[in-house]
Amino acid sequence: AQSVSQHNHHVILSEAASLELGCNYSYGGTVNLFWYVQYPGQHLQLLLKYFSGDPLVKGIKGFEAEFIKSKFSFNLRKPSVQWSDTAEYFCAVNRGSQGNLIFGKGTKLSVKP
Amino acid sequence: DTGVSQNPRHKITKRGQNVTFRCDPISEHNRLYWYRQTLGQGPEFLTYFQNEAQLEKSRLLSDRFSAERPKGSFSTLEIQRTEQGDSAMYLCASSLWQGGETQYFGPGTRLLVL
Repeated sequence: AQSVSQHNHHVILSEAASLELGCNYSYGGTVNLFWYVQYPGQHLQLLLKYFSGDPLVKGIKGFEAEFIKSKFSFNLRKPSVQWSDTAEYFCAVNRGSQGNLIFGKGTKLSVKP
Repeated sequence: DTGVSQNPRHKITKRGQNVTFRCDPISEHNRLYWYRQTLGQGPEFLTYFQNEAQLEKSRLLSDRFSAERPKGSFSTLEIQRTEQGDSAMYLCASSLWQGGETQYFGPGTRLLVL
């Protein structure tokens, strides 16, 4: 069965530190990849997505992610985090016409001011 | 706000009672999804509709769960004979399927079964 692994459960950073959140998936076929973010008290919002083309995708608020097919990975990065980035981040994957998303367990990011 | 809306936002019920949740998708979106999220987990897929047709159901969706999307617009998710293990956040998402899609999520309905 497909699965998505997010390696870090809770990450604590100081402002201006660089961020990288890991995401690996288990499916070997064509996949679509997503990062969603959930700010405290808010609903899930799309941060960025990859369908095809350039494996380096840029999203909102300075986030980017790189799809590495050989490693089945889609890691999220941001060069300099802000306190307002404190949130929970979810990696998700679906494949082809099967729309249902498979989510990782999420990584909680706490940014200290 | 023209996003996905869900009602109620919170529901407390006693074990054995039936509950029904409603989701209103973004207008013109043809796909509607239901997910369930428990503490410390990511959302888990339950079922989805394309227009009014229910195309897939997860094995998580026991026979106590039923979902409808009668006119291809809003959807309802009913849980019969609720159990404490049904306590979770129930999320709805919608998308415009055109050979690819991006799902937009609603705020969720938090269910607590006592």
